[in-house]
Amino acid sequence: NAGVTQTPKFQVLKTGQSMTLQCAQDMNHNSMYWYRQDPGMGLRLIYYSASEGTTDKGEVPNGYNVSRLNKREFSLRLESAAPSQTSVYFCASTEDSEETQYFGPGTRLLVL
Amino acid sequence: TQLLEQSPQFLSIQEGENLTVYCNSSSVFSSLQWYRQEPGEGPVLLVTVVTGGEVKKLKRLTFQFGDARKDSSLHITAAQPGDTGLYLCAGGNTGGFKTIFGAGTRLFVKA
Repeated sequence: NAGVTQTPKFQVLKTGQSMTLQCAQDMNHNSMYWYRQDPGMGLRLIYYSASEGTTDKGEVPNGYNVSRLNKREFSLRLESAAPSQTSVYFCASTEDSEETQYFGPGTRLLVL
Repeated sequence: TQLLEQSPQFLSIQEGENLTVYCNSSSVFSSLQWYRQEPGEGPVLLVTVVTGGEVKKLKRLTFQFGDARKDSSLHITAAQPGDTGLYLCAGGNTGGFKTIFGAGTRLFVKA
């Protein structure tokens, strides 16, 4: 039982490049989330998926797109990376809206 | 916009000391969670409090939810180096998916 897994662990991009961050959970949870964590600002919600087939914007969705591929997988795509997107990205899942959030280990992204 | 403010931002103490960290908001939350995050890892839930005035204990950690459900505190008794980490509070609302996280208190316990 791996919980929430994220790939890659580290990534360096040049401005304008694109990439997709992958997230998968094996807990049969309905809801999945993408956050970014920046120093002094805590975790900010980018997008979430309340259930398979639905996605909604969070607090900071600009510059990102998401896909809920199936119940297990929720990907985050940066179409044209910018230095302001340098951050640590966390994926999380919950069984329902008010349940404990289970976080992955994070992806550290540097955009030059 | 709901906000959660945590204080202090940083705390460095000696092993054996007691400490309290705070999580405050002007908004009411239906539940409040405390997470602990170690370097290079994702946050891990410590406790959830849902009732105003509720107190929960987890070994040397005591969590309290304010009567008005706008604030919370975490008290650690006889801190140990293993308590070192980033402590995050998070507020949730009934039926909502947009949990609000505070910026965290970074605790360093020296041996």
